[in-house]
Amino acid sequence: QKEVEQNSGPLSVPEGAIASLNCTYSDRVSQSFFWYRQYSGKSPELIMSIYSNGDKEDGRFTAQLNKASQYVSLLIRDSQPSDSATYLCAAWGAGSYQLTFGKGTKLSVIP
Amino acid sequence: ETGVTQTPRHLVMGMTNKKSLKCEQHLGHNAMYWYKQSAKKPLELMFVYNFKEQTENNSVPSRFSPECPNSSHLFLHLHTLQPEDSALYLCASSVDREETQYFGPGTRLLVL
Repeated sequence: QKEVEQNSGPLSVPEGAIASLNCTYSDRVSQSFFWYRQYSGKSPELIMSIYSNGDKEDGRFTAQLNKASQYVSLLIRDSQPSDSATYLCAAWGAGSYQLTFGKGTKLSVIP
Repeated sequence: ETGVTQTPRHLVMGMTNKKSLKCEQHLGHNAMYWYKQSAKKPLELMFVYNFKEQTENNSVPSRFSPECPNSSHLFLHLHTLQPEDSALYLCASSVDREETQYFGPGTRLLVL
């Protein structure tokens, strides 16, 4: 059973701080990784995708991938109350040939 | 309309009812998916269609029956559901199996 693990939180950070969200995955042959944001009562929306080791930046968001450690993270700089949501980590498994999601980390940004 | 649309957005049904969920994507994608999202659980993949052909059925009970008449439309037919089937049902699509998946708004289903 291929798994993606996330700390369910809630993770609380003050407005303007850096929020750090972490994810580990069990499928060693996973090649593609995705971060989705899901507001309460809404559907997931894509924040970032990352395929290579290292960092990928997009505005206030930075995704980090370490395939040797099977670890993916998402950093949100200058956190805003509008960033308060559940963040889902997902890994594409070449072995399972499907996208496996974690349970999500709930982030609260306190004004 | 753009993106991925789903109807109805909310559905209440009894255990003896038959209903259908509809998904339509306007992105020109070739793969479409049904997911179930229950409280405190990860998104669960139910079915995958690629170029209208079903490629995955993740041990879903037969009371859920998918249909994909073309690459733009996906249905989920529901019959004799159980209360534990109450959940958010999400449709998604992608260019192909390994590419980014884009989600519709979901159908919130309550089975009484």
